[in-house]
Amino acid sequence: EVQLMESGGGLVQPGGSLRLSCAASGFTFSSYWMHWVRQAPGKGLVWVSRINSAGGGTGYADSVKGRFTISRDNAKNTLYLQVNSLRAEDTAVYYCAREHSSGHDVFDYWGQGTLVTVSS
Amino acid sequence: DIVMTQSPDSLAVSLGERATINCKSSQSVLYSSDNKNYLAWYQQKPGQPPKLLIYWASIRESGVPDRFSGSGSGTDFTLTISSLQAEDVAVYYCQQYYTTPCSFGQGTKLEIK
Repeated sequence: EVQLMESGGGLVQPGGSLRLSCAASGFTFSSYWMHWVRQAPGKGLVWVSRINSAGGGTGYADSVKGRFTISRDNAKNTLYLQVNSLRAEDTAVYYCAREHSSGHDVFDYWGQGTLVTVSS
Repeated sequence: DIVMTQSPDSLAVSLGERATINCKSSQSVLYSSDNKNYLAWYQQKPGQPPKLLIYWASIRESGVPDRFSGSGSGTDFTLTISSLQAEDVAVYYCQQYYTTPCSFGQGTKLEIK
């Protein structure tokens, strides 16, 4: 059974940093592109970042470029998102998601999410 | 960036009746080289992550009940639930993946009448 489990969220002050993790199991993690998608409280879904299967290629939404860094450790079956210079508008549930085998930015499995709250 | 607009924002349908959700993209998501529409639909129940229902505009994901169907091409798409069940109460999102960044509609909240 495919499982994705995020951790690392919490309350942080504006300008602060967190490292989000996503532990994957039940599939060959190293074969899949992975993504982060976020959802502000009561709002819709917004794509944040992607990383290719080997970890050598990444992409970011303009709103987080230069502040967030996606990475992965295929030996540990874990995806990461380093979030720096946090702003109030970064407050959201952050989901990790697996890219569908058909390719492109379709997400067939999602974690339960980890909440990041940016507030003083 | 492509803007996705769903209608209506909310919808109440009786059990067993048909529910229809519309999605419009600000530019075509039909890729001419493969004749595929880069459009997906997701279902999100309260307190849960989204679940993939449909991709390539009309291909049902494995395990999704056949009462869910997707149609449309170019800029106009529809998600249809042929006979609404109680467990279908959720927010539904369309998503384009024709360009980066991919983008989602604002969501349509489906309730029981």
